[in-house]
Amino acid sequence: EIVMMQSPATLSVSPGERATLSCRASQSVGSNLAWYQQKPGQAPRLLIYGASTRATGIPDRFSGSGSGTEFTLIISSLQSEDFAVYYCQQYNNWPLLTFGGGTKVEIK
Amino acid sequence: EVQLLDSGGGLVQPGGSLRLSCAASGFTFSTYAMGWVRQAPGKGLEWVSAISGSGVSTYYADSVNGRFTISRDNSKNTLYLQMNSLRAGDTALYYCAKAPSSWPYYFDSWGQGTLVTVSS
Repeated sequence: EIVMMQSPATLSVSPGERATLSCRASQSVGSNLAWYQQKPGQAPRLLIYGASTRATGIPDRFSGSGSGTEFTLIISSLQSEDFAVYYCQQYNNWPLLTFGGGTKVEIK
Repeated sequence: EVQLLDSGGGLVQPGGSLRLSCAASGFTFSTYAMGWVRQAPGKGLEWVSAISGSGVSTYYADSVNGRFTISRDNSKNTLYLQMNSLRAGDTALYYCAKAPSSWPYYFDSWGQGTLVTVSS
C-alpha cells in the first residue's frame, strides 16, 4: 500500500498570505495525485488532479506541483473561504486509492 | 448540475448489516465510475470501494474486502453499498462519490454523506 504523508498537520496563516502544503508518497506515484478541500460539515471538493491541473471552477490562487514522491499545494493569497482541511490522494496504485492524513489551514 | 443523495445510514449492532444507497442525477450515470469514501468521526478520508460504469468491475479496500459489496443499478441511477459483518471500526460518515471517467481514479463530485454507527 502506498502511504501518503501530509505536513504540517496544522498551518496557521493570516488572510492574504501564502500557504504551502506538502504531501509525500512512500513510493513514486508519478503525477497521479489529487488534492481536495473539506470545510467543516461539508463533503470534500476536488481542487487539483494530475498533480497540477485545477478542477472545474477552482480559482487560480490554488496551484499544485510535484511528481514522483513530493507534491505541493500552494494557495497564493488566502481568502476567508479557504480555511479548511486539505487532503492529497494518490491514484497511481489504482484501484487501491489512498489519502493523506490532511492539513488543517487555520486563521492566524 | 450533478447531485448525489446518500441515504441508508443508521445505528447497527456489531455483526449486523446495512445497505447504503446513493441516488444520482444531473449526468449520464452509466458512463462514470462511482465509489464510496468514509470518514470516521474527527478523522481523515478512507477509500472504501469503487465500481466501473458498467458495474462489471468492482474494487475494495483490504479493510472491507469480503464484508462489503458495491453495486449499481444504471436503470435507476443508483449506487449501493451492502455492508455485512459490521464492526465498531466501520463507524463513519460514508460518502458516495463520482469519478470523472469510467475509471475510479479520483472523485469530482461527492454526496453529503450518510452516518453509520456500529455499536451495541
